[in-house]
Formats: sequence, structure tokens, C-alpha cells
Amino acid sequence: AQRVTQPEKLLSVFKGAPVELKCNYSYSGSPELFWYVQYSRQRLQLLLRHISRESIKGFTADLNKGETSFHLKKPFAQEEDSAMYYCALSVYSGGGADGLTFGKGTHLIIQP
Amino acid sequence: DVKVTQSSRYLVKRTGEKVFLECVQDMDHENMFWYRQDPGLGLRLIYFSYDVKMKEKGDIPEGYSVSREKKERFSLILESASTNQTSMYLCASSLRDTPAYEQYFGPGTRLTVT
Repeated sequence: AQRVTQPEKLLSVFKGAPVELKCNYSYSGSPELFWYVQYSRQRLQLLLRHISRESIKGFTADLNKGETSFHLKKPFAQEEDSAMYYCALSVYSGGGADGLTFGKGTHLIIQP
Repeated sequence: DVKVTQSSRYLVKRTGEKVFLECVQDMDHENMFWYRQDPGLGLRLIYFSYDVKMKEKGDIPEGYSVSREKKERFSLILESASTNQTSMYLCASSLRDTPAYEQYFGPGTRLTVT
């Protein structure tokens, strides 16, 4: 079965400092990886996915199959980045929806 | 704009009560999901459905059941609520032939079982 590990429950950095939220996964095939974000009192929303290789709100994430990692990075943190971040993995069976496997989440706090 | 709504934002129930959590989506999505979100445990999949009257168990189905009688509505049922089911419950939906990353989430229902 697949698994997603986010080793840090809490990460606190100063405004303007670089941010890296770690995510490692275990799955023998070719997974699809995502980052979700939940700001305080708001609904969960998709931040970015590895397939699109896009940058959202200054965040990027590169899938490293050799290290089975999908770390989320931002060169200069902003106070509005404070939120709960979830790494997620999808194994699309093709026959129907099978949901996402989520990591336990990292609470990112940006200090002024 | 996709809208996924959940019947209650906050709910307080007593141990042993039967609890219904309702989720409705207005984008004609085939797939619907129920997750629970707990501090330190993140999000965990309870059940999902990829069509009317179809359901599949997720990672933690014990103590829960679901109902999908209409395409737009997916209900989560706690047959006999227990205190360890106190949690935030999130509903999500997506189109059939899109991978799971296209899930749209509802605002959540915070259930407290006393």
C-alpha cells in the first residue's frame, strides 16, 4: 500500500527566509503527487501537482523518483503563507476513483 | 465554479446516536469522497463512491456507512456515534475520468460526540 510521510509537524521560519516542507512517499509504481493547503478557517484546496510543473504563489515542488520525495519549496517566505500543508499521493486505477493518500500535514508558521 | 456544500459546519451529538452528514455538489461529478481530518493524523479516506448506489471502502471505514441515492448527494452515516469519531469531516467530489487531484473539497463539518 502507498504511504506519504511528512516528517515535520510544525515548521517555523522568519519572513523572507527560504522554506522547504518535506514529503517522502512509498509506492512501487508511478504515482501522482500533490500539495494541498488549508489556510486558517478555509477549505482545503489544491496548491500544485507534479505533473504540471507549475509554480503557485511562489511555491515549487520537484518529484525526485530516486529519493521518492516531493518537497515543497519557496525561496522567500511571506506571512500569508502560514497554513497547514498536506502532501498527497494518487494511484489512479483507471476503473474509478480511489481517492488520495495524504500525509499527516505540516503546520507552517511564518514569523514577522 | 464548483460548489461542494455540507449540511452543517458544527454538530454536537451524544454517544450512541445515529448521525447523518450530508454532502451535495452541483457540478454533476461522478466521484464523491468522505475524509476525516484529525490533528497529527492529517486526512484519512473513509469511503468513496464513483457512481450512484456504488461505494468503496477507504482506509478507515469501520464505524461508518454511506449512501449515494442521487448523483449529487453523498451521505456519511455514523450508526452509533462514539467519542473517537469526534473529528472534522470533509467531503470532496471530482469528475469520473479525472485523477484524484481534481477533487474539490467542501468546507467541512466539525462533529463533536459527547
